[in-house]
Amino acid sequence: QKEVEQDPGPLSVPEGAIVSLNCTYSNSAFQYFMWYRQYSRKGPELLMYTYSSGNKEDGRFTAQVDKSSKYISLFIRDSQPSDSATYLCAMSANTGNQFYFGTGTSLTVIP
Amino acid sequence: DAGITQSPRHKVTETGTPVTLRCHQTENHRYMYWYRQDPGHGLRLIHYSYGVKDTDKGEVSDGYSVSRSKTEDFLLTLESATSSQTSVYFCAIDRGNTIYFGEGSWLTVV
Repeated sequence: QKEVEQDPGPLSVPEGAIVSLNCTYSNSAFQYFMWYRQYSRKGPELLMYTYSSGNKEDGRFTAQVDKSSKYISLFIRDSQPSDSATYLCAMSANTGNQFYFGTGTSLTVIP
Repeated sequence: DAGITQSPRHKVTETGTPVTLRCHQTENHRYMYWYRQDPGHGLRLIHYSYGVKDTDKGEVSDGYSVSRSKTEDFLLTLESATSSQTSVYFCAIDRGNTIYFGEGSWLTVV
């Protein structure tokens, strides 16, 4: 079993839709949770970072962590064509150590 | 801008030749990483470094070596390139609980 599981998609939605991206994990020691956005032929760009459980909001993006279910989500409100990218989840147990990544979900927002 | 520069950004090389990719950081972070990213596999850790001359293997280290003689530079060497090493390579730094990536080095082995 992989440490982190992420549905690869692809996911296609109309402009303005709410998008939900999810990852599950198996290691209960994970405390730090990240979401990255990766445009084609670019490096992954940090989008959201949360520590432990709870929600974090930044503009149209909301990250949720449910440690009891070992489940994290990224919600995108009012999706735009510029949100079309691959979204990667990542997590780690402590500072300066190993990071574990999902394989990424490909998202297309159709104008 | 994550303060990470990778070079070269694109390279085509022949099977059996050695190749070195360079990662340079401007922020003096202790931890640096090399990943490769392939369709269906996502990001896989090749090697990482936790200080000058301190390195360790990752998940897919066979055929790769690394060196870190200065805090700011982390080199990845393919001793004898093979077609299976055709990939995009990302350097990353740990800024404290989060990891930041460079723009990538696209390597094609023919």
